[in-house]
Amino acid sequence: GAGVSQSPSNKVTEKGKDVELRCDPISGHTALYWYRQSLGQGLEFLIYFQGNSAPDKSGLPSDRFSAERTGGSVSTLTIQRTQQEDSAVYLCASSLVPTGAFTPGELFFGEGSRLTVL
Amino acid sequence: GQQLNQSPQSMFIQEGEDVSMNCTSSSIFNTWLWYKQDPGEGPVLLIALYKAGELTSNGRLTAQFGITRKDSFLNISASIPSDVGIYFCAGPVGSEKLVFGKGTKLTVNP
Repeated sequence: GAGVSQSPSNKVTEKGKDVELRCDPISGHTALYWYRQSLGQGLEFLIYFQGNSAPDKSGLPSDRFSAERTGGSVSTLTIQRTQQEDSAVYLCASSLVPTGAFTPGELFFGEGSRLTVL
Repeated sequence: GQQLNQSPQSMFIQEGEDVSMNCTSSSIFNTWLWYKQDPGEGPVLLIALYKAGELTSNGRLTAQFGITRKDSFLNISASIPSDVGIYFCAGPVGSEKLVFGKGTKLTVNP
């Protein structure tokens, strides 16, 4: 497709299980971002990729969270030993140029993966 | 870290009314962005502002970049039901990421 694709769209898991969330960015977009949106909250930055490297992973809440990107394309966000407070919508976005450059590139968001931890 | 404060948190208006919302920061931003999130969707860029004092329109939407560079306003004129959603302001931090406000949730009664 032409847009950012995320899967699964919904995931219900039990506390303590591991989950993987996938993001397929727009073809050719070099920058990829993960954000978390909790109920009633704004978008919380998690991690940013430029190509396959992650210059900024400062937003990852704990060492249970990790992300990787391969081939400069698909990214996977992994949450180990999930907790109830991990329940949120995880949004992925891609951009042609890094935000904050002289002319910030527009972020194109996917529809998100809604995670519910029971 | 830099934070963006949006107000109001929510608005309930009648169709046809005008809407105004704002975003403030304790830090200077060189760019202000306004996004809209429809229910069940990801946010979509509405307007981008790059210069202090800039006033930009996009249809019924008008946004302004405050001259202090610490605030921005978004106005929607003659609201319609499809304006329902959450409106976020955002600004770049450093060279690589956007920080978002907590959003203004808009409900339009037909």
